Amino acid sequence: SQKIEQNSEALNIQEGKTATLTCNYTNYSPAYLQWYRQDPGRGPVFLLLIRENEKEKRKERLKVTFDTTLKQSLFHITASQPADSATYLCALGDGNNRKLIWGLGTSLGVNP
Amino acid sequence: SAVISQKPSRDICQRGTSLTIQCQVDSQVTMMFWYRQQPGQSLTLIATANQGSEATYESGFVIDKFPISRPNLTFSTLTVSNMSPEDSSIYLCSVEQRSTNYNEQFFGPGTRLTVL
Repeated sequence: SQKIEQNSEALNIQEGKTATLTCNYTNYSPAYLQWYRQDPGRGPVFLLLIRENEKEKRKERLKVTFDTTLKQSLFHITASQPADSATYLCALGDGNNRKLIWGLGTSLGVNP
Repeated sequence: SAVISQKPSRDICQRGTSLTIQCQVDSQVTMMFWYRQQPGQSLTLIATANQGSEATYESGFVIDKFPISRPNLTFSTLTVSNMSPEDSSIYLCSVEQRSTNYNEQFFGPGTRLTVL
């Protein structure tokens, strides 16, 4: 069955450092991959989308890579700030329908 | 981007009762979805709410337990019927808006349901 794995352990880093979160998947060939941010008590908020034919996508301090051979996406936040503390979810879509398959999320804490 | 509101934001209910959750969008959208997010689990799609026709349910979810209405392009309801403590969860509605980002979804704030 399709499976998505994100860093199960919470990630804690120092302010100013780069946070790197991982999303691995098996038994799936996604057409695109998305990253969302979720704060406690709130719904997920869309951050970035990367398609299967793209290697890297950037948006301000965010960078996403997509390696369809390794079946992995990396999500980077450079110059991290305490306000970046949240849970980050990856979601995969196959392009044939509107359904997304979601990872469990990784909790990121940025210490001042 | 779409702005989505949900009512109620939270509720505590007794076993065996039903709760209807409302989802309102500030613009017309084609695709609306209902998700469940249980503690320690990933977002799970319950169903796609179709305007003018029956909802499309995912494996493990049935209409008798989670009836859905979609009377127009800006509104939907999800009912959690005959509740048990296992239904305690956050319920989220989301919409898809076609923009430069294919299949980007916007989520409501969620409804936190506790069943005693």
